[in-house]
Amino acid sequence: QKEVEQNSGPLSVPEGAIASLNCTYSDRGSQSFFWYRQYSGKSPELIMFIYSNGDKEDGRFTAQLNKASQYVSLLIRDSQPSDSATYLCAVLSSNDYKLSFGAGTTVTVRA
Amino acid sequence: NAGVTQTPKFQVLKTGQSMTLQCAQDMNHNSMYWYRQDPGMGLRLIYYSASEGTTDKGEVPNGYNVSRLNKREFSLRLESAAPSQTSVYFCASSEAGGGDEQYFGPGTRLTVT
Repeated sequence: QKEVEQNSGPLSVPEGAIASLNCTYSDRGSQSFFWYRQYSGKSPELIMFIYSNGDKEDGRFTAQLNKASQYVSLLIRDSQPSDSATYLCAVLSSNDYKLSFGAGTTVTVRA
Repeated sequence: NAGVTQTPKFQVLKTGQSMTLQCAQDMNHNSMYWYRQDPGMGLRLIYYSASEGTTDKGEVPNGYNVSRLNKREFSLRLESAAPSQTSVYFCASSEAGGGDEQYFGPGTRLTVT
């Protein structure tokens, strides 16, 4: 079992819709969770982090964390063509404090 | 501020050749990382350096060596390249380790034939 798993995608949504990305992780002791965005041919950049159960909102992005279910998600509201990218879920290991990344979900926003 | 820089951007090697990938950061960060990214596999940690003078293995260290030359620079060496090392390599840095935001360089696209 991979440490961090993401829905494989690709995910295609119309402009203005909500894009929902899911991520599950295996390390029950993990406390810190991150979403990175990677445009095609570019390097990843951090867009959100979340440490506590519940929701965290930043502009059009909402991260949701449920530690009991070992599940973290990212919602992109009012999706724009500029949101078209691959989104990487990353989880900080509880024993060696290294980040483990999921394979990513590619989102395409249709104008 | 240039952030994290990497050289070269592209490289083609023949099997058995060696090369060094260079990485430098100008953000006075303590921690630096080398990842490789392959289709469908996300980013995998090769080596990291929590601070100047220290290095440690990540998930996929076989076939690689690293040097933390000083606080700014962290190089990755392939001693005898293999086709399985064909990948995109990213260097990253963070102020400290753990959960600090990692800043990534532009990447090196390496092909081993």
